Amino acid sequence: AQTVTQSQPEMSVQEAETVTLSCTYDTSESDYYLFWYKQPPSRQMILVIRQEAYKQQNATENRFSVNFQKAAKSFSLKISDSQLGDAAMYFCAYRSAGDAGNMLTFGGGTRLMVKP
Amino acid sequence: SQTIHQWPATLVQPVGSPLSLECTVEGTSNPNLYWYRQAAGRGLQLLFYSVGIGQISSEVPQNLSASRPQDRQFILSSKKLLLSDSGFYLCAWSGLAVKDEQYFGPGTRLTVT
Repeated sequence: AQTVTQSQPEMSVQEAETVTLSCTYDTSESDYYLFWYKQPPSRQMILVIRQEAYKQQNATENRFSVNFQKAAKSFSLKISDSQLGDAAMYFCAYRSAGDAGNMLTFGGGTRLMVKP
Repeated sequence: SQTIHQWPATLVQPVGSPLSLECTVEGTSNPNLYWYRQAAGRGLQLLFYSVGIGQISSEVPQNLSASRPQDRQFILSSKKLLLSDSGFYLCAWSGLAVKDEQYFGPGTRLTVT
């Protein structure tokens, strides 16, 4: 079974600075998808960014980018120019490409605090 | 556009009482549907998923059950609630393509007293 580990329960960053959230996963598969979801205080889960394992290029969405290291099974999220609205729980998630149910396996989350 | 609804938003129920949480999706057909539970400050645990009407897969043995009576309706139920059933329950849907992301509802906060 796949597992996803987020080793940082909490992180803090100064507004306008850059922060990196870590995620590692364990799988024996070669084709899969990785996601970062954001859960603000409203608790609505919002997709931040997605990475396909077969793509070598790291995904980027505006101020959010990932560092995907397939051999190391590492998938970190970098937030540049941090804003107060970035304060939230961030969850890393894994999905097998061969899973007919499109199920996600989530990490335990990292709480990000942004200091003004 | 697609939307997903959950109700109620909050619920306080005594131990031993029944439970029914409802989730509906609009703007799509034949979605995959999911129920997750999130304990305070923790990650999401997949409880059930469904790839079609009447097709339910359970991921965790527990006091809960799920049903899908219509294509875009997913119900989470219990006959007798336990204290350990307290938590935040999220419903989600996805398309059938493997690349499709999951979209989450606003959630239901359940407190069992």
